Amino acid sequence: QVQLQQSGPGLVKPSQTLSLTCSVSGGSITSGGSLWSWVRQAPGKGLEWIGSIYYTGEASYKPSLEGRTTVSADTSKSQFSLNLDSVTAADTAVYYCARGLPTGDQGRGYFDSWGQGTLVTVSS
Amino acid sequence: DIVMTQSPDSLAVSLGERATINCKSSQSLFYRPNNKNFLAWYQHKPGQPPKLLIYWATTRQSGVPDRFSGSESGTDFTLTISSLQAEDVAVYYCQQYYSAPQTFGQGTKVEIK
Repeated sequence: QVQLQQSGPGLVKPSQTLSLTCSVSGGSITSGGSLWSWVRQAPGKGLEWIGSIYYTGEASYKPSLEGRTTVSADTSKSQFSLNLDSVTAADTAVYYCARGLPTGDQGRGYFDSWGQGTLVTVSS
Repeated sequence: DIVMTQSPDSLAVSLGERATINCKSSQSLFYRPNNKNFLAWYQHKPGQPPKLLIYWATTRQSGVPDRFSGSESGTDFTLTISSLQAEDVAVYYCQQYYSAPQTFGQGTKVEIK
């Protein structure tokens, strides 16, 4: 069973970049059949998919966040990362990394393994 | 985007009784080539990450107790907990992965009566 461990700051200033990393163990980040993904939950809200990267390096993003979102992978470290630029208070949320099982293109899949979650607060 | 609407927003059920959560999609999630609905259910407890319960609308994830089951009828999907246990208190979410971007329902909170 793959395990995901998240790291990154819990406080980011407005207009700056939110950066989180997810370390993968118990499985290869380069193996086919996995979508390395980010999902968030704003306070009092539901779950929101942000973006995913396939083992080929192909990334997909939620359209409303595309343009300021980057999901990347470092295969040598078995890690994948989220960068969210120009954050505002609306980006305050618990961010989860997750392993998706792909079911089609554009990052679609269901999520069978999750990181522990990181509360990121955007505030000066 | 496909809108997933869950009902009710919350429900209170006695221990050992049945809990039923509904999820309606704004369009079909059925893919005829594989004869499956692209829908998953998750359980989310406070302070924990979500847990996958059901995928392909009716397939139980390995290790999930068999009191959890999923059913489907057109664009209507149901998660049933046949005999509610104390550890089932959580928020439950449906998710469609038929169309990009994949989207979740707003969640249903299950409590003990």
